[in-house]
Amino acid sequence: GIQVEQSPPDLILQEGANSTLRCNFSDSVNNLQWFHQNPWGQLINLFYIPSGTKQNGRLSATTVATERYSLLYISSSQTTDSGVYFCAAPRPQNQGGKLIFGQGTELSVKP
Amino acid sequence: DVKVTQSSRYLVKRTGEKVFLECVQDMDHENMFWYRQDPGLGLRLIYFSYDVKMKEKGDIPEGYSVSREKKERFSLILESASTNQTSMYLCASSPRTNEQFFGPGTRLTVL
Repeated sequence: GIQVEQSPPDLILQEGANSTLRCNFSDSVNNLQWFHQNPWGQLINLFYIPSGTKQNGRLSATTVATERYSLLYISSSQTTDSGVYFCAAPRPQNQGGKLIFGQGTELSVKP
Repeated sequence: DVKVTQSSRYLVKRTGEKVFLECVQDMDHENMFWYRQDPGLGLRLIYFSYDVKMKEKGDIPEGYSVSREKKERFSLILESASTNQTSMYLCASSPRTNEQFFGPGTRLTVL
């Protein structure tokens, strides 16, 4: 089945720094989601991005479906950006909307 | 905005008890999902429902059952709770084959 791999697994930043998180997927997909898991455990939707680039404030995401990767950019990071970032892609034949999740990137932003 | 709610944020139960975790969504989504999340193992799909009274096993259904009597409500049932079911439980919903939205999660401890 499809594999979803994220890098780096861990990242430590100083407040104000920029960062790029990567998500590689082993097969073509027709959509991709990015989530942020906050310290209380809830997964917050960041982007639903099958292809192209989207921006939301300091965050933006780019998916290049033909090359099977997606990037999440965080600019001017803040301590509230800390947490785990997941990307997820649909299973083959889009089995009823079920997703395969990457293992996550744990981001820590220091003041 | 899509809202997915779960009945409890924290729950403590005894081994052998029957446990019900409830999830409600307010967006008329067809699909609903139950995941558990454990350190080092990521998010794993327990059960999935694509319509009222319809259910499908996920990757780790053993020890769990589900119920979907109404479209907006999806219940996860631990028939006889065991300590290895101590985990974070996350519910999600989505329109058919589309973006998933998560609830706040339930941290279950089985003593």
